[in-house]
Amino acid sequence: GAVVSQHPSRVICKSGTSVKIECRSLDFQATTMFWYRQFPKKSLMLMATSNEGSKATYEQGVEKDKFLINHASLTLSTLTVTSAHPEDSSFYICSASGTGSYNEQFFGPGTRLTVL
Amino acid sequence: GESVGLHLPTLSVQEGDNSIINCAYSNSASDYFIWYKQESGKGPQFIIDIRSNMDKRQGQRVTVLLNKTVKHLSLQIAATQPGDSAVYFCAESENSKLTFGKGITLSVRP
Repeated sequence: GAVVSQHPSRVICKSGTSVKIECRSLDFQATTMFWYRQFPKKSLMLMATSNEGSKATYEQGVEKDKFLINHASLTLSTLTVTSAHPEDSSFYICSASGTGSYNEQFFGPGTRLTVL
Repeated sequence: GESVGLHLPTLSVQEGDNSIINCAYSNSASDYFIWYKQESGKGPQFIIDIRSNMDKRQGQRVTVLLNKTVKHLSLQIAATQPGDSAVYFCAESENSKLTFGKGITLSVRP
């Protein structure tokens, strides 16, 4: 099956620093990647959708200047949390989809971000 | 806005019994529905999906039922095992964009 990886799996940073999270599709070309955020005991909330080579589409309420998304290739998307603050602490999950009429999404294992 | 929700926050079942997890959705334009299992600290794991032109789909030990009339989705797990303990999410898709339900915790008693 399709495999999606994320790196790092967990990161702790100081308030005010920036953190980059990578999402890779290992065995298929992902035309679209999605970034989700999940708070403890809550559901996944879509942050943004990115298509290779174009600007990401952000969901309402998500600051595009704070959560920078780059999808430079068909196998890699990055999410950079800029000037992180404790309230940005969360579980960030990416997914990737290829071609196909329903574009099944394959999820990564998630990245736990803790901002001190 | 439209949302996807679950009727019960937790479900406790005896090992070996069947489990039924229900989900209500409100977006009539959704054309694809998926059930995911999420274990603590991990990403969602695909369980089973169903297209809007179907009302039932079976997998290994799992069955998904879709009732578009009342916008209801259910996941049935046969002979529930301890390894089935996790949080389960339903998700609906419109134009490849997923909206997740709130999640329900399935706890399997030995």
